Amino acid sequence: AQSVTQLDSHVSVSEGTPVLLRCNYSSSYSPSLFWYVQHPNKGLQLLLKYTSAATLVKGINGFEAEFKKSETSFHLTKPSAHMSDAAEYFCVVRQYSSASKIIFGSGTRLSIRP
Amino acid sequence: DTAVSQTPKYLVTQMGNDKSIKCEQNLGHDTMYWYKQDSKKFLKIMFSYNNKELIINETVPNRFSPKSPDKAHLNLHINSLELGDSAVYFCASSQDGDRVWTEAFFGQGTRLTVV
Repeated sequence: AQSVTQLDSHVSVSEGTPVLLRCNYSSSYSPSLFWYVQHPNKGLQLLLKYTSAATLVKGINGFEAEFKKSETSFHLTKPSAHMSDAAEYFCVVRQYSSASKIIFGSGTRLSIRP
Repeated sequence: DTAVSQTPKYLVTQMGNDKSIKCEQNLGHDTMYWYKQDSKKFLKIMFSYNNKELIINETVPNRFSPKSPDKAHLNLHINSLELGDSAVYFCASSQDGDRVWTEAFFGQGTRLTVV
């Protein structure tokens, strides 16, 4: 069975400083991994995805994530936070099975201090 | 041109009523989903359909009944609404290949409030 754990429920950083949102996964097979962002009262938007190609994945708005199989991690980073990055971020895992599911982590709320 | 559209966006109704939420995708995807997001932002899958066939049915009260008239539509009907059904419901779709799982595209959500 697959699962995903987001290690921080809330992260607060100052504008212009780096962002790190942590995600660990559990999967019996090679997973596909995704990060989604949800701005307040909005839907879910895909930030980036890993599907067994390059382990360092670049996404929209300057975000990137690195797939580390040995650590079963897929942490999301951004070199310099912007006020507009304040939102809820979800790490998502999928793997092959007879009834594939898209499994969401519990979410990390990112706050940006001026 | 919206890829996954849900209607209505907001739904306020009284306990005991029956209501439906509609979802349509114009991406040509084979798989559609319903997710429930609770007040703590946790997203949990409810149902998944592939080519109109139910493939995932999580532990959801049988008051919830999905219906897929064709692969572009997945509607959610809820009978005898309860206070605990208040949540945001998201529809999504994806197109999957052989052992390659693509991203899901989500609708904007339907905020259901039961009073």
